[in-house]
Amino acid sequence: DTEVTQTPKHLVMGMTNKKSLKCEQHMGHRAMYWYKQKAKKPPELMFVYSYEKLSINESVPSRFSPECPNSSLLNLHLHALQPEDSALYLCASSRGNRRSSPLHFGNGTRLTVT
Amino acid sequence: DQQVKQNSPSLSVQEGRISILNCDYTNSMFDYFLWYKKYPAEGPTFLISISSIKDKNEDGRFTVFLNKSAKHLSLHIVPSQPGDSAVYFCAASGNAGNMLTFGGGTRLMVKP
Repeated sequence: DTEVTQTPKHLVMGMTNKKSLKCEQHMGHRAMYWYKQKAKKPPELMFVYSYEKLSINESVPSRFSPECPNSSLLNLHLHALQPEDSALYLCASSRGNRRSSPLHFGNGTRLTVT
Repeated sequence: DQQVKQNSPSLSVQEGRISILNCDYTNSMFDYFLWYKKYPAEGPTFLISISSIKDKNEDGRFTVFLNKSAKHLSLHIVPSQPGDSAVYFCAASGNAGNMLTFGGGTRLMVKP
């Protein structure tokens, strides 16, 4: 079982919907990440939270809005998405934001935008 | 332009033999490298890492070799087992903390 839990596992939404992806970890990790993975492509970094503060935003469109309510939770709020946003969204956490702290990934949310 | 490349999309190996997965990078600022394994419907799982101050790191059946002058690293799995069948991603980071750049992945199939 993965120690990073993502819900829901699958999500289908229309372009006018508002939905949220949720991520939870109880390993005491202080850095959390959102990655996006398209089919047959590598994961691409979207956001990094370090000690509950947004530290990196990789020029992600504003229709994706991250939120870190506390050190264990990470949300990704979705609004007015496009079909090309359909992908696997992966959450990860690490003990710190140093390179020696490997990322622990959740199993992802497979998002389909219709 | 892909900064981390895995030129072999797939690799098939007989059980018990060695699996060698390759990765090349172009960014000279990368100095920490990792390998992740991914099963279908699961997130990537960390396997092994290597810092640029080393040229080899070993953990059980897994060994990573780094050739800095060639900007090349490889993952050796010996002996290969059917349970090793998965997609393997090479990843790299530079001075910007824990931001990882992933390669495109290599699908390893270990045949019994």
